Amino acid sequence: DVVMTQSPLSLPVTLGQPASISCRSSQSLVYSDGNTYLNWFQQRPGQSPRRLIYKVSNRDSGVPDRFSGSGSGTDFTLKISRVEAEDVGIYYCMQGTHWPPKFGQGTKVEIK
Amino acid sequence: QLQLQESGPGLVKPSETLSLTCTVSGGSISTSSYYWAWIRQPPGKGLEWIGSSHYSGNTYHNPSLKSRVTISVDTSKNQLSLKLSSVTAADTAVYYCARHVGGEKYAFDMWGQGTMVTVSS
Repeated sequence: DVVMTQSPLSLPVTLGQPASISCRSSQSLVYSDGNTYLNWFQQRPGQSPRRLIYKVSNRDSGVPDRFSGSGSGTDFTLKISRVEAEDVGIYYCMQGTHWPPKFGQGTKVEIK
Repeated sequence: QLQLQESGPGLVKPSETLSLTCTVSGGSISTSSYYWAWIRQPPGKGLEWIGSSHYSGNTYHNPSLKSRVTISVDTSKNQLSLKLSSVTAADTAVYYCARHVGGEKYAFDMWGQGTMVTVSS
């Protein structure tokens, strides 16, 4: 199975400051069709996960543009340009390229 | 507006079978574009894909759960079901149902609110 490794696992951030989460896969996530099936999910406290980003960098409808995804191959990043209070939660990367789909361990974003 | 709602017993005894249902409202579970999945999250831990099913009968499950998993779609009731046999305490988790587009490789774009299942005698 592909292993998804996120860092850091805990990320204290000052309101209004940027935040960056890394996600690395044990194998390239480029699929035979040329797409890279790497997604990012946000899970606010007490809520179910919500997809933010799909195929590395495509933001879902309603997701603020302060969230952006980038990367290629095995290295991916989720950036929050200016953290707001509502961004507190756990962020998961997830690969769908290789079967079975796997999530990273999660990165907990909290306000300093 | 599409909604997914999980339901089922909150407590299951060890060695028994966990049975859950996900009711889809605001849309049809028979839409050819979509697969319907079960994902779980043990307390304080990360997310694990259990399996996915299409209304046509195509079904896939995580090999880590071996042959304990049965997932199916009931088009007459617009429901997705999960059966997990021979449960142990390790199966204690919040169970979510979710939707993903076929061909988009498990990019789960809609989630239910989840239901907590505890395995205990």
